[in-house]
Amino acid sequence: SQQGEEDPQALSIQEGENATMNCSYKTSINNLQWYRQNSGRGLVHLILIRSNEREKHSGRLRVTLDTSKKSSSLLITASRAADTASYFCATDAEDSNYQLIWGAGTKLIIKP
Amino acid sequence: AAGVIQSPRHLIKEKRETATLKCYPIPRHDTVYWYQQGPGQDPQFLISFYEKMQSDKGSIPDRFSAQQFSDYHSELNMSSLELGDSALYFCASSSETGYNEQFFGPGTRLTVL
Repeated sequence: SQQGEEDPQALSIQEGENATMNCSYKTSINNLQWYRQNSGRGLVHLILIRSNEREKHSGRLRVTLDTSKKSSSLLITASRAADTASYFCATDAEDSNYQLIWGAGTKLIIKP
Repeated sequence: AAGVIQSPRHLIKEKRETATLKCYPIPRHDTVYWYQQGPGQDPQFLISFYEKMQSDKGSIPDRFSAQQFSDYHSELNMSSLELGDSALYFCASSSETGYNEQFFGPGTRLTVL
């Protein structure tokens, strides 16, 4: 069953601006992962944050995790047209036997 | 670095036919997962294998079966195909030591006519 919910469902910003996407989940997790998917293409792993971590950086990406609120955010700084894609969060719930449970995704459009 | 390999990349079948999708995990990864992604939807977990044994089962129809072989590659067998089976099928692999960081293959696009 799907437990991740992402907002916004769609986000359109100007190139150079920062983009923030949020993800909420319902159960206790081992970790939370963010993926990117270009239209009709494969899923690319962006970043994994463990349940005992609060913030993680990778290049222009910054992920936060608030386990008390069961939520995470993905920030992309200085966005580029090439960042246009759908972004999914996926949780590895404690009782899920390692299957990922996915959010519905945020469609990000970066306008040049 | 080696990635997850899936074959074929595209497959077109008629209703009621069968299809076999293959997945070759990243070397030294011991776990394979299969996901189905319908148009405009998030991926749905189908089934997973750890060390050649089924480890978890999701929303996989009874018409589908899968297995993991001794070389850790996996095959998803789909029979009596229906129009609704048209989707992207992703395979992912992970290592027990990698915090379940799942790496995905490029996917197989299955079209059922």
